[in-house]
Amino acid sequence: GNSVTQMEGPVTLSEEAFLTINCTYTATGYPSLFWYVQYPGEGLQLLLKATKADDKGSNKGFEATYRKETTSFHLEKGSVQVSDSAVYFCALGVGGGSYIPTFGRGTSLIVHP
Amino acid sequence: EAGVTQFPSHSVIEKGQTVTLRCDPISGHDNLYWYRRVMGKEIKFLLHFVKESKQDESGMPNNRFLAERTGGTYSTLKVQPAELEDSGVYFCASSQDGGRGTEAFFGQGTRLTVV
Repeated sequence: GNSVTQMEGPVTLSEEAFLTINCTYTATGYPSLFWYVQYPGEGLQLLLKATKADDKGSNKGFEATYRKETTSFHLEKGSVQVSDSAVYFCALGVGGGSYIPTFGRGTSLIVHP
Repeated sequence: EAGVTQFPSHSVIEKGQTVTLRCDPISGHDNLYWYRRVMGKEIKFLLHFVKESKQDESGMPNNRFLAERTGGTYSTLKVQPAELEDSGVYFCASSQDGGRGTEAFFGQGTRLTVV
């Protein structure tokens, strides 16, 4: 089956620190990979995605590279801001007859000034 | 363009009562999904509609949960009777198709508390 494993949170950082949130996956088929973010009081929104091996998704200073050999899609940002405080979800989707995005448990990020 | 809309945003009910959640997907999106997140855990899949048909309902926890999608437009998720363990945030999402890299668009969720 399909599954996503994320590092446990919360992750607490000071402003301008480097961020890594680890994500690994198992999938039947060739998945697309996503990072979604949920800001306080809001719904989930797509942060970035990658659809094939070695692709790099990037948005708002965040990036993640699709690593098929290690089945990973780690999220990174060089310098976090207080406004990046949110819950981050790694997800995968396998196209076909029944496309059902599968999510990890989410990692809470808290950035202090 | 309006996004995915969910009603209500919060609901507090007593054990044994009935609650109905509603989701209005993005217009033109054939795929509609219901998910649930219990505090601190993963967002778990409940079911998937393609237009008005249930494509996959393998994630529905038991027969106290009933989902419908009238005419392939909005969807409702009814919990009857509600139990304490049904508490959580219920998310609805919609997408256009199942092609590679298809993005699912999410509503803000309904926070259900059963007391």
